[in-house]
Order: sequence, then C-alpha cells, then structure tokens
Amino acid sequence: DAKTTQPPSMDCAEGRAANLPCNHSTISGNEYVYWYRQIHSQGPQYIIHGLKNNETNEMASLIITEDRKSSTLILPHATLRDTAVYYCIVRVRDTGTASKLTFGTGTRLQVTL
Amino acid sequence: GAVVSQHPSRVICKSGTSVKIECRSLDFQATTMFWYRQFPKKSLMLMATSNEGSKATYEQGVEKDKFLINHASLTLSTLTVTSAHPEDSSFYICSALRTGNGSPLHFGNGTRLTVT
Repeated sequence: DAKTTQPPSMDCAEGRAANLPCNHSTISGNEYVYWYRQIHSQGPQYIIHGLKNNETNEMASLIITEDRKSSTLILPHATLRDTAVYYCIVRVRDTGTASKLTFGTGTRLQVTL
Repeated sequence: GAVVSQHPSRVICKSGTSVKIECRSLDFQATTMFWYRQFPKKSLMLMATSNEGSKATYEQGVEKDKFLINHASLTLSTLTVTSAHPEDSSFYICSALRTGNGSPLHFGNGTRLTVT
C-alpha cells in the first residue's frame, strides 16, 4: 500500500471548516484514498473514501487532486465532537485479505471553542 | 450502517491466565476480519488476518501460539490472549470486511486489556 504523509496535529475553531491534508505521492492507479478517525479510546470510524473524483457524504467532503498525489478531508462545520485522530490510508479496494488497512500516525485534530 | 460489536470492552486479568475477545459483525457476513493492537499514544498495528474456515495469517513478529484466532462462522471471530503478561496490556481492536460488497472496513469499539 502507498505511504501517506499527514501533519501530526491541527487546531480548528468550532463552527469553522477543518481542512486536513494528506500526501500520497506514490499512489497507484488502482488504489483508493480512505479516511478514518479515532476518538479517544474508541475504534476507528469510517468517514469517506474516493478514487479520483471528489466525494461528499453526511460527514465530510474529500477533495482529490487531479494527479491524485494528495487529498484534503473537509469537515465543513467542525464541532467539539470532531476532536480525534484522523487517518488517511490508501489501498486497493476490496481484495479480500489484501483489504487490510495499514495505519500511519494520522493528524490529531483539536477543535476549540 | 454496518455494525461490528466487540466484547468485552474492558477486562482485567492476572498474569498467566488467558483472555478471550469476541468480534461480531451484527448485520452482515464477514469472510475476513482483522485484529489490531494499539499502545497508548501510538497508531494501530495489524496483528493478524482472520479468515472464516481457515487458519489466520499473522503479521511478522506476532506469536501465533500466544494470540490464538478462531473464525468459525461468518459473523464471529475470537482472539485469545494465552498466558497473558503485563506487556500484553493494550487496546485490541477488530475490523470486519463485508462479504461481496464494496463497503469499507468497519471497526469494533475495542477491548482494553490490563494484565496485572
């Protein structure tokens, strides 16, 4: 799986948009970008994933650059409950046992009042 | 949405005893489940891949005789920490892959194991 690079920490004011970047310059053509987050002492929570088109769901938006070497997760209106570690992971989608996720160190997002 | 249940959420045991952790997919069948371990302030580390009806595949450095994995049905995988020692104290997390569907992996809420 391609390696990803994320800033170790970010701060965001409540109500503002949180933009979390991720670099994956060695991504292959058949690898997807997945985002998960982990709130303290809980299991990781799936947020969103995409291949090359921008994606949006009820939780967030995912913007992938045209060359696919980087992406940004956008939480449009961050709340205190969004404080968590956010992981950007790239992998081939749904190939059975190869579907394992390799976690990096992620970005610790702190949402403040 | 897909739900993965892990039990117990927290367990304390004495050195030398064994502890079993269950991981269930509640509303879907999972041919493949994954077990992770997480130490404080660290990222998740994959321990093993659990396949229904066959032997688990362990990551390098993980002792298969110490961390026994059984995946006897499409909705249940178990991890047994045998002869536990204080250094086995950690946060153990499972995840499940829905069979034949393009959905992403879903995770349980983890088990906090403390060995005294």
